[in-house]
Amino acid sequence: GQQVMQIPQYQHVQEGEDFTTYCNSSTTLSNIQWYKQRPGGHPVFLIQLVKSGEVKKQKRLTFQYGEKKKNSSLHITATQTTDVGTYFCAGGGNKLVFGAGTILRVKS
Amino acid sequence: SQTIHQWPATLVQPVGSPLSLECTVEGTSNPNLYWYRQAAGRGLQLLFYSVGIGQISSEVPQNLSASRPQDRQFILSSKKLLLSDSGFYLCAWSVQGPTKVAQHFGDGTRLSIL
Repeated sequence: GQQVMQIPQYQHVQEGEDFTTYCNSSTTLSNIQWYKQRPGGHPVFLIQLVKSGEVKKQKRLTFQYGEKKKNSSLHITATQTTDVGTYFCAGGGNKLVFGAGTILRVKS
Repeated sequence: SQTIHQWPATLVQPVGSPLSLECTVEGTSNPNLYWYRQAAGRGLQLLFYSVGIGQISSEVPQNLSASRPQDRQFILSSKKLLLSDSGFYLCAWSVQGPTKVAQHFGDGTRLSIL
């Protein structure tokens, strides 16, 4: 079945440093979504990418979708302590396949 | 606006006991509904999803079952809990259709099996 791999598993950065998490699929995805889960909380939808090569920005967050729709990345510029949490990518349509997530910790 | 309610927030159950977790959605009609389990520090595993009343798809063979007795109600059950059933259970909903498929999660239930 479809698999979505995410790296790194864990990243610890100094406040102000950049952060990137990568998502790769074994098959072409119809779309990819990104979610953020704060410690002790539930996943919250961030964005959906649909078009090949698409780039979307939300303030300090930049989301990219690969040309072949098999990979995606989330880049955070100048991390802040409010960015801590686990970032998940998920691919597919109504039935999503989630990556294992990247845990981000930010040292102030 | 749409809201999703999930309860209880935490639950401690002995091995072999039954389980019933309930999830309800307000402010939308005919949603897709989902049950996920998340082990500590891990990703989300889809357990069940439903596109309508009485329609349940099971993703992983296991000790659990799901039911959708009403349009906006989704129930996760077990007749006899196992130690391996411990985890964080999340209910989610999404709008039906190929373009608006963002999933919206409830606050989750932390289940501990003793």
